[in-house]
Amino acid sequence: GAVVSQHPSRVICKSGTSVKIECRSLDFQATTMFWYRQFPKQSLMLMATSNEGSKATYEQGVEKDKFLINHASLTLSTLTVTSAHPEDSSFYICSARDFRQTNPHYGYTFGSGTRLTVV
Amino acid sequence: GQQVMQIPQYQHVQEGEDFTTYCNSSTTLSNIQWYKQRPGGHPVFLIQLVKSGEVKKQKRLTFQFGEAKKNSSLHITATQTTDVGTYFCSTRDDKIIFGKGTRLHILP
Repeated sequence: GAVVSQHPSRVICKSGTSVKIECRSLDFQATTMFWYRQFPKQSLMLMATSNEGSKATYEQGVEKDKFLINHASLTLSTLTVTSAHPEDSSFYICSARDFRQTNPHYGYTFGSGTRLTVV
Repeated sequence: GQQVMQIPQYQHVQEGEDFTTYCNSSTTLSNIQWYKQRPGGHPVFLIQLVKSGEVKKQKRLTFQFGEAKKNSSLHITATQTTDVGTYFCSTRDDKIIFGKGTRLHILP
């Protein structure tokens, strides 16, 4: 099945620094990837939709200058949290779907997530 | 945009008891998806339902999509400790919108 690899799995950074998270589709091409944030014991909140070769689409309330998304190839999307602050500490997850899959019952595959702690 | 409301938020059951979580929408949904997230893990796709009145089974899990395509349920028969986690319903158009999830605790 489709596999999405996300790195790093955990990162601790100092306040004011930037952190880059990578999301790769390993055995399929993903023209679209999605970035979510999940706070403890809460649901997944969609932050942005990453489109290969074009600008990302951000959800309302998500600062695009703070959460930089780059989707330069069909298998790689990156999320950079710039000038991180403690309130940015969260679980960040990417997802993608193999659009070659024509079975309507085939869902989206999620990366394993990145737990970011800003100190 | 579309929203899905999920109840209950938490459920504690004795091992061996049944469990059900419900997902409701005020608008007609084109599809409903269910995911399971283990503590500390990431969401794992379980199933997608697209047809009115659709019922699908995966071993002890039974998924239903309402006739009006505005609600869905996930029922687990005879829960086991491996069922622990949060179950999310979601709907997908150009993006996936998740419900708040139901956190299932199993009491031994």
